[in-house]
Amino acid sequence: NAGVMQNPRHLVRRRGQEARLRCSPMKGHSHVYWYRQLPEEGLKFMVYLQKENIIDESGMPKERFSAEFPKEGPSILRIQQVVRGDSAAYFCASSPGQLNIQYFGAGTRLSVL
Amino acid sequence: RKEVEQDPGPFNVPEGATVAFNCTYSNSASQSFFWYRQDCRKEPKLLMSVYSSGNEDGRFTAQLNRASQYISLLIRDSKLSDSATYLCVVIDNDYKLSFGAGTTVTVRA
Repeated sequence: NAGVMQNPRHLVRRRGQEARLRCSPMKGHSHVYWYRQLPEEGLKFMVYLQKENIIDESGMPKERFSAEFPKEGPSILRIQQVVRGDSAAYFCASSPGQLNIQYFGAGTRLSVL
Repeated sequence: RKEVEQDPGPFNVPEGATVAFNCTYSNSASQSFFWYRQDCRKEPKLLMSVYSSGNEDGRFTAQLNRASQYISLLIRDSKLSDSATYLCVVIDNDYKLSFGAGTTVTVRA
């Protein structure tokens, strides 16, 4: 049973480009969460999605960031017009239900030049 | 004030030693508590849940003090493989995990 799969593991973008981060939840999990970890800081909640629905996006920056979890395929975190401050590790977690333990993927490390 | 605060350490201890550290949380209505472990540049992995009565898992003991709003983790008989960053995690509602910045433990031979 594969765990939470994230790709790419490392992503380098220049300022102004777009970044797309993908997350495939564990088999049987329909709840996906995205967290961001800045250097020397704890993980911060960004967004919680179920299939085709955004449940809570209270941690998402108001501009340039969006997330989706389509009926088919992985969840996507999209960052438009990246800036240096977006450089961070982005972790995805999944769970079978809202009250269950969240299991984390290996993360995508985004570097903005 | 941060939601979850931890002493960043590092705690440098010899093999076989006992090491303990705390975490404080700001929301008195927090519902659930966990310790996760994060190895360098890897994903957080659940170490153990923390129950009101305190709980033990092998060499690891977790305690919760709701009155003072802190959680503790104690590691007995430290192994080299225990070297990691330990993340205190609090859930305020049903799903949103609030993480501390982590406490770094280094176990030396």
